[in-house]
Amino acid sequence: DTGVSQNPRHKITKRGQNVTFRCDPISEHNRLYWYRQTLGQGPEFLTYFQNEAQLEKSRLLSDRFSAERPKGSFSTLEIQRTEQGDSAMYLCASSWGVRGRPNTGELFFGEGSRLTVL
Amino acid sequence: AQKVTQAQTEISVVEKEDVTLDCVYETRDTTYYLFWYKQPPSGELVFLIRRNSFDEQNEISGRYSWNFQKSTSSFNFTITASQVVDSAVYFCALYNSGAGSYQLTFGKGTKLSVIP
Repeated sequence: DTGVSQNPRHKITKRGQNVTFRCDPISEHNRLYWYRQTLGQGPEFLTYFQNEAQLEKSRLLSDRFSAERPKGSFSTLEIQRTEQGDSAMYLCASSWGVRGRPNTGELFFGEGSRLTVL
Repeated sequence: AQKVTQAQTEISVVEKEDVTLDCVYETRDTTYYLFWYKQPPSGELVFLIRRNSFDEQNEISGRYSWNFQKSTSSFNFTITASQVVDSAVYFCALYNSGAGSYQLTFGKGTKLSVIP
């Protein structure tokens, strides 16, 4: 399968612990996005990478959240000192685009990583 | 500011019925793109269609059709002769290409249940 892959699919953790999610985009895609989706809501944008550069971050991305894409391929999203309000599905998506050009193409989403904070 | 409203939270139809999912958007930009995505129980969002603000032609793809009306800021989605496999949550989304941002703004989604 050459789609977007996310791991782990499910994570249960206790409040205060750190968690890390990994996303492997479609190999030829240079753009990568993280979204968060809570129950009954649509996905909310967190951050965007063009290759290894993080070019956009949402206000939702508090200082407890950090995302990296060190070699322009896979990405990690780390949440430090988790809170119950962090419980959500974390979705990764990828696409291809020229740097500086707007994003008008479809995004390819992974199946998400569901986080439950007890 | 931009916003997408999907007023229908849940819809149930009997198989083979037609169903229309509503989407109303708000944006100050003149150049924008509208999308519909399908989210089956597996969780993966699947792209269905993209429309830019300069193209108001309606589109049909098999049992799916889309009605884009700038005058009412709506981009509605109709499924003809619904099938059980159409059961999913459907999201409408907006992208403002002139805003220098790369984020999609999603509505809250409409959960469609097709009953056999």
